[in-house]
Amino acid sequence: EVQLVQSGAEVKKPGESLKISCKGSGYSFPNYWIGWVRQMPGKGLEWMGIIYPGDSDTRYSPSFQGQVTISADKSISTAYLQWSSLKASDTAIYYCTRQTRPRWDAMDVWGQGTTVTVSS
Amino acid sequence: DIQMTQSPSSLSASVGDRVTITCRANQSITIYLNWYQQKPGKAPKLLIYAASSLQSGVPSRFSGGGSGTDFTLTINSLQAEDFATYCCQQSYSTPPTFGGGTKVEIK
Repeated sequence: EVQLVQSGAEVKKPGESLKISCKGSGYSFPNYWIGWVRQMPGKGLEWMGIIYPGDSDTRYSPSFQGQVTISADKSISTAYLQWSSLKASDTAIYYCTRQTRPRWDAMDVWGQGTTVTVSS
Repeated sequence: DIQMTQSPSSLSASVGDRVTITCRANQSITIYLNWYQQKPGKAPKLLIYAASSLQSGVPSRFSGGGSGTDFTLTINSLQAEDFATYCCQQSYSTPPTFGGGTKVEIK
């Protein structure tokens, strides 16, 4: 079964750092793009960026460039989303997704989501 | 960024009804429009890709249509498990953008 399994919920304070993960299985992880999508409480979906684990080619939405870092370790089939200094406005559910191509293709597999709560 | 607008934002329907949701892009996206279903507390699930192609495993009562700027998602004979929020997404240009969602509720 093709699946993406994300790390568990996090509760952090403003200013703290965080790295969440997304592990792929059931397919050739290096050969598919992994994207990240944010869903703030009660709101819609926002695309943050995408990485190709095969060569770590990474692209960011202008809205998230400089705010987060996307990385991947193809040896353990895992992609990451990290923050160096969290803000309360980073409180959201974060989903990882799979795509065959970074453009044109739909997000055909989704992780279960990681809830990040940032509060003092 | 391409802006996606869905209508209505919510609707009430009964089991067995036919439901149509509309998604409009503010510029042509040819056929690069995808539809997702999201249930409370769950991740979105791909239903339709490239405007009208049914994702594997999705019931045939779901269908999509349109091209250019105007698209539709139709659910024929609504089932109890179809009550959810539906969202469109364009994959024509980067960044991909989503519509605001349509919540389908039980009448």
